[in-house]
Amino acid sequence: DAGVIQSPRHEVTEMGQEVTLRCKPISGHDYLFWYRQTMMRGLELLIYFNNNVPIDDSGMPEDRFSAKMPNASFSTLKIQPSEPRDSAVYFCASSLLRVGSPLHFGNGTRLTVT
Amino acid sequence: GQQVMQIPQYQHVQEGEDFTTYCNSSTTLSNIQWYKQRPGGHPVFLIQLVKSGEVKKQKRLTFQFGEAKKNSSLHITATQTTDVGTYFCAQFPYTGTASKLTFGTGTRLQVTL
Repeated sequence: DAGVIQSPRHEVTEMGQEVTLRCKPISGHDYLFWYRQTMMRGLELLIYFNNNVPIDDSGMPEDRFSAKMPNASFSTLKIQPSEPRDSAVYFCASSLLRVGSPLHFGNGTRLTVT
Repeated sequence: GQQVMQIPQYQHVQEGEDFTTYCNSSTTLSNIQWYKQRPGGHPVFLIQLVKSGEVKKQKRLTFQFGEAKKNSSLHITATQTTDVGTYFCAQFPYTGTASKLTFGTGTRLQVTL
């Protein structure tokens, strides 16, 4: 089991640039989550998918953020245009389809926007 | 909205001392999970509690769910340097979307020799 795979591990970009973060969930998992972690706000749920369908995106900060899941094995989180306040560690996690299933997190993408 | 408070925010102990972190919710919970995140790492699932008053143990770690299902605690006996990290509780509310997991603010544990 390869676990949840995220890329890139680190991303440094200039303000105004587009950033795309990628995630491959564990095969067979039905739920996929995107979290953002900062010192100030902790772990925030941005959006999650069930069977590739977005269920709740109420945590997405603003229209600059968008997420897609075109198939069961791939998801993207895009920020366009990026701003310095978007600097954070972004985690993708996946889990099985049942209440209380543990989340399996990827190693995260550390984003720095200058 | 749902509040998930953890106390303390930070604790520094000497190796061998005990450690406890508390998780408090403003609403009744269906269940609660605990995660550990090592410095520079990602959250890793430790355990889930479901029943009112439930107590579970993993070696030196003891997890407890409150009778009213509004609070939980994690106790580590005789800490070791390998216990260093941030401990998060994560909860599912009784109402709303079943799979929306909300993380607590976390307690960062530092252990020194």
